[in-house]
Amino acid sequence: GNSVTQMEGPVTLSEEAFLTINCTYTATGYPSLFWYVQYPGEGLQLLLKATKADDKGSNKGFEATYRKETTSFHLEKGSVQVSDSAVYFCALRRNFGNEKLTFGTGTRLTIIP
Amino acid sequence: DTEVTQTPKHLVMGMTNKKSLKCEQHMGHRAMYWYKQKAKKPPELMFVYSYEKLSINESVPSRFSPECPNSSLLNLHLHALQPEDSALYLCASSQEEGWGYEQYFGPGTRLTVT
Repeated sequence: GNSVTQMEGPVTLSEEAFLTINCTYTATGYPSLFWYVQYPGEGLQLLLKATKADDKGSNKGFEATYRKETTSFHLEKGSVQVSDSAVYFCALRRNFGNEKLTFGTGTRLTIIP
Repeated sequence: DTEVTQTPKHLVMGMTNKKSLKCEQHMGHRAMYWYKQKAKKPPELMFVYSYEKLSINESVPSRFSPECPNSSLLNLHLHALQPEDSALYLCASSQEEGWGYEQYFGPGTRLTVT
C-alpha cells in the first residue's frame, strides 16, 4: 500500500538557520506529492505540491523536489523565521480515481529567536 | 474566497449527548470531506461526499453520521460518543473528488467527550 515516512521530530532551529525535513514515500504508480503546514490551533494549509518526477514545488521560501529515483520529497528553506513554527505533513495521492491523501506522521518545527 | 468555515470551534459533550458539527464553503466545490485528527497524529479520512452523495465511508462507527444537505454545507451528527472520540475534526472541500483537485481545509472543531 501507500505510505509516507517523515523524519522524527520535534525539530528546533534558530532563526535564519537552514531547514530540511526529510520525506520518503512508497506508492505504486506515480503519485502527486504535497507538503501541508498546520499552525497552532488551525487546520491544514497546502504549502506546496509536485505532480510528477523532477517537478519542484515552491511557496513562501519553501521548496521541495520530486525525486523518483530516491522516492523522496524533502522540504527545504534557506532561512527560517519564528513564524514558520508549525507542524509539517508530507502527503501523497496517487494520480487516478478517487484516491485519498496519505499523510506522514508530521514533524513539529520550532524556531527560536 | 478560498475559505472553509467550521462551527463550533470547540465542543464539549457528554457520552449521552447529541450534537452536530457544521462545515460550510462557498467556493462552488462539489466534494467535501470529514477528517479526524488525534493529538500529534496526521488527519485520518472519515467520509467523502461528492455532489451531495456519500462517496466514501472509511468504516466509521455509526455514532458518527454525516449529512450533506446542499453543495455548500456538510454536517457531522454525533451521538453516544466515547472519550476516545475526542479529537480535532477537520472539514475540507475540493472542486471535484478526483486526484487532481486540491483540498482546502477548515480550521477544525476541537471535540472533547467527557
